[in-house]
Amino acid sequence: KAGVTQTPRYLIKTRGQQVTLSCSPISGHRSVSWYQQTPGQGLQFLFEYFSETQRNKGNFPGRFSGRQFSNSRSEMNVSTLELGDSALYLCASRRGGVTDTQYFGPGTRLTVL
Amino acid sequence: SQQGEEDPQALSIQEGENATMNCSYKTSINNLQWYRQNSGRGLVHLILIRSNEREKHSGRLRVTLDTSKKSSSLLITASRAADTASYFCATDAQIQGAQKLVFGQGTRLTINP
Repeated sequence: KAGVTQTPRYLIKTRGQQVTLSCSPISGHRSVSWYQQTPGQGLQFLFEYFSETQRNKGNFPGRFSGRQFSNSRSEMNVSTLELGDSALYLCASRRGGVTDTQYFGPGTRLTVL
Repeated sequence: SQQGEEDPQALSIQEGENATMNCSYKTSINNLQWYRQNSGRGLVHLILIRSNEREKHSGRLRVTLDTSKKSSSLLITASRAADTASYFCATDAQIQGAQKLVFGQGTRLTINP
């Protein structure tokens, strides 16, 4: 079974731009979560989508948004990019239960100049 | 602050030795998971231990959980150079109304040949 895939793997943007990241979950998984990883803050939970609905949300500003499609693929959007948004963005999928194991993709490395 | 805190932050040992990492957390949990991350890449799920379990084994990995002390440990026996990575504990808990996977800051493990 194919793992979680994320595109693109690397991205360079400038301040003020917006960016969209994509995540394809493991086949059969209906939940997709997004995380931001930075050296200073570590791994932080952004949000989780399940059956096209946001099920859980972390403490990030409204510039960070996401959505999930009927095939469970998910996108994350960050608008008005700031230097501090430079990070590794990881998505994880699981079958659906909140206690199911989460499987992570390789991440998208975003650099904001 | 982070739900999980790990100790030590960095660990350097000789190949063949055992490595022990500890994790403490703050709130009640459904389960606790350990992940490995090679430099700048995605997280690989190692093992999940449920709140009603005390010990779990997987190959060279042994995880213990003490819910009374809100702590867990990961033991890697007979370490290999390929075990060099960062190791994170993550607790699946409900925090501020949201079901989240909350990560510790990680332990950077270096195995010296």
